[in-house]
Amino acid sequence: SQQGEEDPQALSIQEGENATMNCSYKTSINNLQWYRQNSGRGLVHLILIRSNEREKHSGRLRVTLDTSKKSSSLLITASRAADTASYFCLLGTYKYIFGTGTRLKVLA
Amino acid sequence: KAGVTQTPRYLIKTRGQQVTLSCSPISGHRSVSWYQQTPGQGLQFLFEYFSETQRNKGNFPGRFSGRQFSNSRSEMNVSTLELGDSALYLCASSLDGLHGTDTQYFGPGTRLTVL
Repeated sequence: SQQGEEDPQALSIQEGENATMNCSYKTSINNLQWYRQNSGRGLVHLILIRSNEREKHSGRLRVTLDTSKKSSSLLITASRAADTASYFCLLGTYKYIFGTGTRLKVLA
Repeated sequence: KAGVTQTPRYLIKTRGQQVTLSCSPISGHRSVSWYQQTPGQGLQFLFEYFSETQRNKGNFPGRFSGRQFSNSRSEMNVSTLELGDSALYLCASSLDGLHGTDTQYFGPGTRLTVL
């Protein structure tokens, strides 16, 4: 399958802790995007990292990309209850391929 | 700028019927992609349109089709509905999107239930 694999499938942490989720893939990509989805609603774009970039920051988000290992990680620092959602990676290739998703629960 | 809009938001149909979903992209965006999301299969790419032409297609049967109009608005149609077509259908737009190079912006989705 060309689907991106994300781990962990589910993650439960306390407010204030950091959350890390990983996305591994098999195909070549132009970029990799991360999205958040609340309760089966639309996807909110978080960050895009291009294949020639290794790290990118946006507010409390830090994304890394290792094209040699075909993997990316999303770090959310100082998590808040409002960060509770599902997170997906989207592989930017000739056919858009989503990862399997990580369900994050942040406990207040 | 207004975001991506999808209509209707909720739809209930019965097996064998057909359905048409609509998507209006962000102004200036020429690429529109469609996705199906189900608990079992996750998010799957259906097809992508650019300048009124289907540029890319996922692995779905021919019952799933789409089109794009000159104003970039897009519709997708599912004929002879099956129970397994019950899903959240998401539309996304991007400036160009060739080979997945652009950020995709998603609409709120249309929740289709097939009875």
